[in-house]
Amino acid sequence: DAEITQSPRHKITETGRQVTLACHQTWNHNNMFWYRQDLGHGLRLIHYSYGVHDTNKGEVSDGYSVSRSNTEDLPLTLESAASSQTSVYFCASNSLNSPLHFGNGTRLTVT
Amino acid sequence: GESVGLHLPTLSVQEGDNSIINCAYSNSASDYFIWYKQESGKGPQFIIDIRSNMDKRQGQRVTVLLNKTVKHLSLQIAATQPGDSAVYFCADARGFQKLVFGTGTRLLVSP
Repeated sequence: DAEITQSPRHKITETGRQVTLACHQTWNHNNMFWYRQDLGHGLRLIHYSYGVHDTNKGEVSDGYSVSRSNTEDLPLTLESAASSQTSVYFCASNSLNSPLHFGNGTRLTVT
Repeated sequence: GESVGLHLPTLSVQEGDNSIINCAYSNSASDYFIWYKQESGKGPQFIIDIRSNMDKRQGQRVTVLLNKTVKHLSLQIAATQPGDSAVYFCADARGFQKLVFGTGTRLLVSP
């Protein structure tokens, strides 16, 4: 069955370190998204991509970057981790006229 | 992934009752609406969606109602079961791609 996989499931890092969260989907979806989920804010869009080599900023993109070198993967990089980036991160994908499918998340703690 | 947590509005029902979860949206240009269910430790799971040219759509035990006049969306769950206990999110978008999520409602089902 097609799926979307995030890794790692849990990560602890120190302030200032670079961190990359992986997202891999086997749906062959063109569109991929990264969200963060925090108390009182619901899911907020960080970055998204509509296809290979396409990337776009979401509403909370500062301090994050993504790259899309193939259809299956959209890694999310925190250039210099900050305590404010402690959160649960979700990757999602879809194609035109289909609902978003989410991964099971990565819990990131920045100490 | 973890639900948003302690600050969520909560709906408590008895097993077998019907549940109604409400959601307000703000963008009058939104033409696509969707409900997700999120269980503890998992990513959001698609339940049902509706386009703005409809005011009602039914699935298996679930019904979504859309009132565009007052920008209100509701999810009705028939014969609620303990397995329905979760956090429920609504989201809206113009088109299928950049969803804006609400903060969620926690549904607690007592046996």
